[in-house]
Amino acid sequence: GENVEQHPSTLSVQEGDSAVIKCTYSDSASNYFPWYKQELGKRPQLIIDIRSNVGEKKDQRIAVTLNKTAKHFSLHITETQPEDSAVYFCAAKAPPPRAGGTSYGKLTFGQGTILTVHP
Amino acid sequence: DAGVIQSPRHEVTEMGQEVTLRCKPISGHNSLFWYRQTMMRGLELLIYFNNNVPIDDSGMPEDRFSAKMPNASFSTLKIQPSEPRDSAVYFCASTLLGQHTEAFFGQGTRLTVV
Repeated sequence: GENVEQHPSTLSVQEGDSAVIKCTYSDSASNYFPWYKQELGKRPQLIIDIRSNVGEKKDQRIAVTLNKTAKHFSLHITETQPEDSAVYFCAAKAPPPRAGGTSYGKLTFGQGTILTVHP
Repeated sequence: DAGVIQSPRHEVTEMGQEVTLRCKPISGHNSLFWYRQTMMRGLELLIYFNNNVPIDDSGMPEDRFSAKMPNASFSTLKIQPSEPRDSAVYFCASTLLGQHTEAFFGQGTRLTVV
């Protein structure tokens, strides 16, 4: 099955700096890669996602890049602010079923990155 | 829609007792996931359902864990008997089947087994 590895497990930056979180996945057929942010005591919520036919996507201070060949995708946060402090999770989603496939729609998460932005 | 609704929000139980966690997915969603979150293991997928059918339960840690989805608007995760190592936050999430659809999480159930 799919295996998603996420690094680093913790990241500490100064306000205004950039933060980068990296993930790798094992199933080359995975075709949807969301990123979730989880604030302390709250549920994970989607912040950005990317499809396998796109190499990069931006939304204000947040961007995600995808390298299908290397099975690698990254989250970039620029001009970080204290309110960006949270746990960030990457994920990979299994594609529609092919002959004999059973993992349709399976959403597998990385281990998470605790981001701390110091004022 | 009120979003994904989980109950209870908090559960404290004694070791050996049965625990039942409940989830109501977003109306119209046809894919439902149960995750367990701990500091050590992050977000572990326990089981997921498509159109009320369990697709992959390989993440269920032991036979003590079971999950059902009797209809499109309700799912349960049961632990019997519970053990202290089951203490975690359990999340339910739902989405529409499809390639590029967001999964929405419930508020989670914080389970403490003493």
